[in-house]
Amino acid sequence: GDSVTQMEGPVTLSEEAFLTINCTYTATGYPSLFWYVQYPGEGLQLLLKATKADDKGSNKGFEATYRKETTSFHLEKGSVQVSDSAVYFCALSDQSGNTGKLIFGQGTTLQVKP
Amino acid sequence: DTGVSQDPRHKITKRGQNVTFRCDPISEHNRLYWYRQTLGQGPEFLTYFQNEAQLEKSRLLSDRFSAERPKGSFSTLEIQRTEQGDSAMYLCASSSTGVGNSPLHFGNGTRLTVT
Repeated sequence: GDSVTQMEGPVTLSEEAFLTINCTYTATGYPSLFWYVQYPGEGLQLLLKATKADDKGSNKGFEATYRKETTSFHLEKGSVQVSDSAVYFCALSDQSGNTGKLIFGQGTTLQVKP
Repeated sequence: DTGVSQDPRHKITKRGQNVTFRCDPISEHNRLYWYRQTLGQGPEFLTYFQNEAQLEKSRLLSDRFSAERPKGSFSTLEIQRTEQGDSAMYLCASSSTGVGNSPLHFGNGTRLTVT
């Protein structure tokens, strides 16, 4: 079945460092891809999405490009802030049955130190 | 847009007791999803509704679990005869169908602890 794999965490960075969180997927068909973020004590929030190959999703300085040839959707940010500390989840939309449901990776914890 | 609301935020129960959680989706959203999230893991799909119809259930959803969405608005998730393995965060999400399915909007979850 479809699945998402993320890099193991935690990722610990200093403020203003460059961030990459790797995400690869296995899917039949052409799913939409998402990054969600979960701040401590809060629910998941959509960070960005891409719906087709070569699309770039972006929001709040974060970017990810849908790479069909490498089945990847890596999250990047040029300069992280302490407030970016959170758990980041990569997800894909299940293409079977048009349910709209998402399949998530295991999450990657980001800790940004001042 | 008041967001997805879940109640209660926390529930502590003894093994063998029944518990019920409530989810109020975003009002114009016709799809509603339940997920379970354990520590260090991503959310796992449990079930989903389109309007009042429950259209899919995961194999994770044992016979002790039941979900309803009687009028196509709020939903309840009941767990009967709770077990310690049921301890998790239960997340509700909603979305709308139509031209370009909207992404899922999540509530803050209900954290269940079974002692």
